[in-house]
Amino acid sequence: DTGVSQNPRHKITKRGQNVTFRCDPISEHNRLYWYRQTLGQGPEFLTYFQNEAQLEKSRLLSDRFSAERPKGSFSTLEIQRTEQGDSAMYLCASSLDTAGGWETQYFGPGTRLLVL
Amino acid sequence: DQQVKQNSPSLSVQEGRISILNCDYTNSMFDYFLWYKKYPAEGPTFLISISSIKDKNEDGRFTVFLNKSAKHLSLHIVPSQPGDSAVYFCAAKLTGNQFYFGTGTSLTVIP
Repeated sequence: DTGVSQNPRHKITKRGQNVTFRCDPISEHNRLYWYRQTLGQGPEFLTYFQNEAQLEKSRLLSDRFSAERPKGSFSTLEIQRTEQGDSAMYLCASSLDTAGGWETQYFGPGTRLLVL
Repeated sequence: DQQVKQNSPSLSVQEGRISILNCDYTNSMFDYFLWYKKYPAEGPTFLISISSIKDKNEDGRFTVFLNKSAKHLSLHIVPSQPGDSAVYFCAAKLTGNQFYFGTGTSLTVIP
């Protein structure tokens, strides 16, 4: 397995357009997380899935943000009506739920979004 | 609200010496803590972790210390190597799998 992959790696869009990012987790991992990282900051948790169920989405930044993981494998993050403030690196991570709860997240390389 | 803080944006250390990276947190409900290392143009890579029921965890050159009363976490790297030069993030987990990251410390190990 080659790890967590994200596509595209870079996206430039105009303000007001919709964008969608894809994350393919490590195949046996049942948890999948989305983060946003802006310059000089650490990753900021957005949402996570256990299999296909989205268990936490209260920290999605606004109702313009949505995520899906329809078959419990890959996930997509969509941003509608993009704004310049959405420009950031969007990171995906996956992990395997363990009985003790002390999971390790493996991150993808990220998708860098620039909104003009 | 920055619940996990790394107050030193950068640190320089001579090769072979000890690197100590610090992290403070505010929420006493965090139950698991992690350190990640990040190189440019890559996602963070897991380094070491510690649960809230322990005060020390060691893995090779890396040791993490947890002081719950002070709400303080530190990462010790001994001996430091030039390949350790990267940005280091500490992270903390709440029940419910919400993770909070610090702002990172850029470590430079000078040969």
